[in-house]
Amino acid sequence: GNSVTQMEGPVTLSEEAFLTINCTYTATGYPSLFWYVQYPGEGLQLLLKATKADDKGSNKGFEATYRKETTSFHLEKGSVQVSDSAVYFCALSQYSGAGSYQLTFGKGTKLSVIP
Amino acid sequence: AAGVIQSPRHLIKEKRETATLKCYPIPRHDTVYWYQQGPGQDPQFLISFYEKMQSDKGSIPDRFSAQQFSDYHSELNMSSLELGDSALYFCASRQFNEKLFFGSGTQLSVL
Repeated sequence: GNSVTQMEGPVTLSEEAFLTINCTYTATGYPSLFWYVQYPGEGLQLLLKATKADDKGSNKGFEATYRKETTSFHLEKGSVQVSDSAVYFCALSQYSGAGSYQLTFGKGTKLSVIP
Repeated sequence: AAGVIQSPRHLIKEKRETATLKCYPIPRHDTVYWYQQGPGQDPQFLISFYEKMQSDKGSIPDRFSAQQFSDYHSELNMSSLELGDSALYFCASRQFNEKLFFGSGTQLSVL
């Protein structure tokens, strides 16, 4: 079956540091890939997505590139801010027939950014 | 390791019908969250339960209700289904304030 593996953290960075959260996946075919973010006390939000190989998703300074050759979708940001402190989830979506899609989530990585 | 189990994986209903979605959290997890994600949309938080009591309520329509049972599994009951209810419904569980673990979702199609 499908699976998503991401670094579990927690990750603690100083403000303006470079961020990488690794994510690799196992799936048949061509899934869509996502990064979700959950800020403290809030619900889940879609951060960015990529639907085919070599696509780059980007939002709020975050980027991730769909790498089929390495089955990876690493999340990066050049300069993190305290407001980026949250839990980040990598996920894939794959068509499962009858017009349906299934989501598979990684375990989440908690990021803490200190001033 | 056991994961969050949701059933059914797919569900097809007609307008005005009812549907029941089930979520079985990871053993010893005391909190369950329900989310709805329409095509191309952000997940919308519906409702959550902690120790079998409703702990928070989001954008859940009055036509929907949910509960958490003594074995900690949760059910989302949806009545008078509308076309706009077609979405992926997924649940998540956690133990106290630890990380969330997600189920793979139930895809509901209302025809």
